[in-house]
Amino acid sequence: DTEVTQTPKHLVMGMTNKKSLKCEQHMGHRAMYWYKQKAKKPPELMFVYSYEKLSINESVPSRFSPECPNSSLLNLHLHALQPEDSALYLCASSQDRIAAPYEQYFGPGTRLTVT
Amino acid sequence: AQKITQTQPGMFVQEKEAVTLDCTYDTSDPSYGLFWYKQPSSGEMIFLIYQGSYDQQNATEGRYSLNFQKARKSANLVISASQLGDSAMYFCAMRDAGGTSYGKLTFGQGTILTVHP
Repeated sequence: DTEVTQTPKHLVMGMTNKKSLKCEQHMGHRAMYWYKQKAKKPPELMFVYSYEKLSINESVPSRFSPECPNSSLLNLHLHALQPEDSALYLCASSQDRIAAPYEQYFGPGTRLTVT
Repeated sequence: AQKITQTQPGMFVQEKEAVTLDCTYDTSDPSYGLFWYKQPSSGEMIFLIYQGSYDQQNATEGRYSLNFQKARKSANLVISASQLGDSAMYFCAMRDAGGTSYGKLTFGQGTILTVHP
């Protein structure tokens, strides 16, 4: 089973709202990732968690706040977003950040619209 | 810094024919990994195939094979016997294997493949 689930599938929020995106995997993977993808562009890495600790933050604005409550769950808390933050947010997981196997498995994404 | 280049914005192929999607890369690391992902219009990124820099043989997974030419720094994806369901965006990606960015994937710009009946 290589399933990564993400909720919600779609989210519309105002610039003053606070919302959260959720990602879950039950493959025993110890590395989890958040990517942002604009239309017709490649995904861009935002954050990496390894063994529930934040390993990589790609200089993401503080209005995005990641959280890894346990090895199966990854959240992305959103606050005071801008319209340009509208995008597809993809979660991924891999066995480990450093050791093989290296492939990352992605969830279906959350399409976020900021109004 | 690592760089992935996909020079074909769009490709067309007839059903049941084979198609090659191009990918070139640039890195100074001796150890690296190359991936191909498929992204249908639904949005999910689907892992297709992986090639390690030290792998002696080209990777194959069903109808997908990776034509790895290390000296030319190319990692082209070959899809044999194309199916209508292969119509999607295809991304080539490289795994960063050094420093604080260990494990980070850098993606190319993608190629949109359209399979005609």
